Amino acid sequence: DIQMTQSPSSLSASVGDRVTITCRASQTIINFLNWYQQRPGKPPKLLIFAASNLQGGVPSRFSGSGSGTDFTLTISNLQPEDFATYYCLQTYSAPSITFGQGTRLELK
Amino acid sequence: EVQLVESGGGLVQPGGSLRLSCAASGFTFGSYSMNWVRQAPGKGLEWVSYITTTSSTMYYADSVKGRFTISRDNAKNSLYLQMNSLRDEDTALYYCARSGVVMTGPPEFWGQGTLVIVSS
Repeated sequence: DIQMTQSPSSLSASVGDRVTITCRASQTIINFLNWYQQRPGKPPKLLIFAASNLQGGVPSRFSGSGSGTDFTLTISNLQPEDFATYYCLQTYSAPSITFGQGTRLELK
Repeated sequence: EVQLVESGGGLVQPGGSLRLSCAASGFTFGSYSMNWVRQAPGKGLEWVSYITTTSSTMYYADSVKGRFTISRDNAKNSLYLQMNSLRDEDTALYYCARSGVVMTGPPEFWGQGTLVIVSS
């Protein structure tokens, strides 16, 4: 099974900051890496698919990069609505897919 | 507008059974594979099960294999999860999620979830 390790598990930042979240796969997943945002009481929302492709309607301050085993999600110019939990998801071994453990982004 | 509405959750004793349903609308249900994903209270997301468009193949996480059964009825635009031999650790919010156009595409649309509590 492919394991996904996200870091950090939590992060404090201020409005306007730039933050980076990383996700590491236990084996190569090429670019089958996706990022979700989850706000409290809501289902996950797809932000980025295939490592670097912005889902429609997602603000351009979100970006993704990486390939192989190491991936990053960057959020520039943090906005109040961005404080949420973020998950990576590998779909290389679909349909058996694996999420990272999540990164909670909190307001400093 | 794509909508997925889960139902059937509730409180059940360990060892008991429950059947979850997911009603789909706003898209051609029979053209998409579907998933169940769960989230224990205060925890992360865990993929549970997957079913192809024609129900030809089903996949399960090791944690539920042999206890849970995924099914669908394309005529009723509905997805199901039969959960047997429930354990405390099955307590979670269960989401149905529509797969991407290709198998490796991430689930884009999710329901609001239905809560299953396994407790004596």
